[in-house]
Amino acid sequence: SAVISQKPSRDICQRGTSLTIQCQVDSQVTMMFWYRQQPGQSLTLIATANQGSEATYESGFVIDKFPISRPNLTFSTLTVSNMSPEDSSIYLCSARTGANYGYTFGSGTRLTVV
Amino acid sequence: GDSVTQMEGPVTLSEEAFLTINCTYTATGYPSLFWYVQYPGEGLQLLLKATKADDKGSNKGFEATYRKETTSFHLEKGSVQVSDSAVYFCALSDRGGGTSYGKLTFGQGTILTVHP
Repeated sequence: SAVISQKPSRDICQRGTSLTIQCQVDSQVTMMFWYRQQPGQSLTLIATANQGSEATYESGFVIDKFPISRPNLTFSTLTVSNMSPEDSSIYLCSARTGANYGYTFGSGTRLTVV
Repeated sequence: GDSVTQMEGPVTLSEEAFLTINCTYTATGYPSLFWYVQYPGEGLQLLLKATKADDKGSNKGFEATYRKETTSFHLEKGSVQVSDSAVYFCALSDRGGGTSYGKLTFGQGTILTVHP
């Protein structure tokens, strides 16, 4: 099955700054997904990223706060902008990478905002 | 919209005990159903899946059957091990068109701890 490399694996950031998370897939995929997992919570979809078009954001998430790039079929970035402590979470990228609705996840980025 | 409800946790068992984690869903159409596992400090791994009614997914001794009549996908294992300690997530994916195609909706997760 496909492999997604996600980095950084963790970071501690100052409030008001921005962090860009990168995901590289070892095969071409149509759509990539970005999720947030707040401490002790389940995963919440932030947005869906399709190559060559703007990302589609879920309710409660906006492009100014979470800009996403999808320059080609194997790569995507998520930026967490103007961070506050409430943004402290694990952020995961995902892609549908196989037949029969197989989904692969990156290993996650554990973000702490201080 | 689509939703997934898992049994409340955490669940604590002794080694070799029987495990059931309940999962029910609400969805339009015919979703695919998944169980994911998250070991401490790691990302999500697919445990098993089922894509149509009455399908049984199985892996590493875990099983779950897609029950359309009860909209359920309960996870079971006959004899758990300490190494099964993790967080388990039930999820579904829609098959609709448009920009929501293929996104996963997760349950709240169930923490499983297995003691020797």
